[in-house]
Amino acid sequence: QKEVEQNSGPLSVPEGAIASLNCTYSDRGSQSFFWYRQYSGKSPELIMFIYSNGDKEDGRFTAQLNKASQYVSLLIRDSQPSDSATYLCAAYGQNFVFGPGTRLSVLP
Amino acid sequence: KAGVTQTPRYLIKTRGQQVTLSCSPISGHRSVSWYQQTPGQGLQFLFEYFSETQRNKGNFPGRFSGRQFSNSRSEMNVSTLELGDSALYLCASSLELDEQYFGPGTRLTVT
Repeated sequence: QKEVEQNSGPLSVPEGAIASLNCTYSDRGSQSFFWYRQYSGKSPELIMFIYSNGDKEDGRFTAQLNKASQYVSLLIRDSQPSDSATYLCAAYGQNFVFGPGTRLSVLP
Repeated sequence: KAGVTQTPRYLIKTRGQQVTLSCSPISGHRSVSWYQQTPGQGLQFLFEYFSETQRNKGNFPGRFSGRQFSNSRSEMNVSTLELGDSALYLCASSLELDEQYFGPGTRLTVT
């Protein structure tokens, strides 16, 4: 069974801090990895994707991938209350496998 | 560019009935995937269509089926509805087989 695991949270950080979200995956055949943000009652929104080992930065977001450890992370710098949402990690091999999501709460 | 659209947005059905949901992908996208999202199970993959062919299928019973038309629009059908089928059904489209963009979803309630 191909799985993606995430800490369900909630993860609470103060406004302006760095939020760190982690994800592990079981399928070594996974080729690409995605982070989605989902606000309550809304559909998931693609934030970042990463294919290669290392870091990828986009504005306040940095995705990190370590294929040897089968580990993906998302860092959110200068966290804002509007970042409060559930963050879904997904791994793509033959199809998408999503983690259960981590609920992030940014406190003003 | 218009996003992924799904119709209807909300639906109430009775046990034993069947339902058809529709998804129109982003223009130019050939891949359409369907997901079921529930509070208990999270986001679960149903199936994926690419150029009218089903490429992948998740672990759902045969009551769940789908198809894709030549214009990339897709439909999914659930027959003999059960209470446990109550969920948010999400459609996602992609240009290639990655970078999926989700539609707003169809909220199905089975009573």
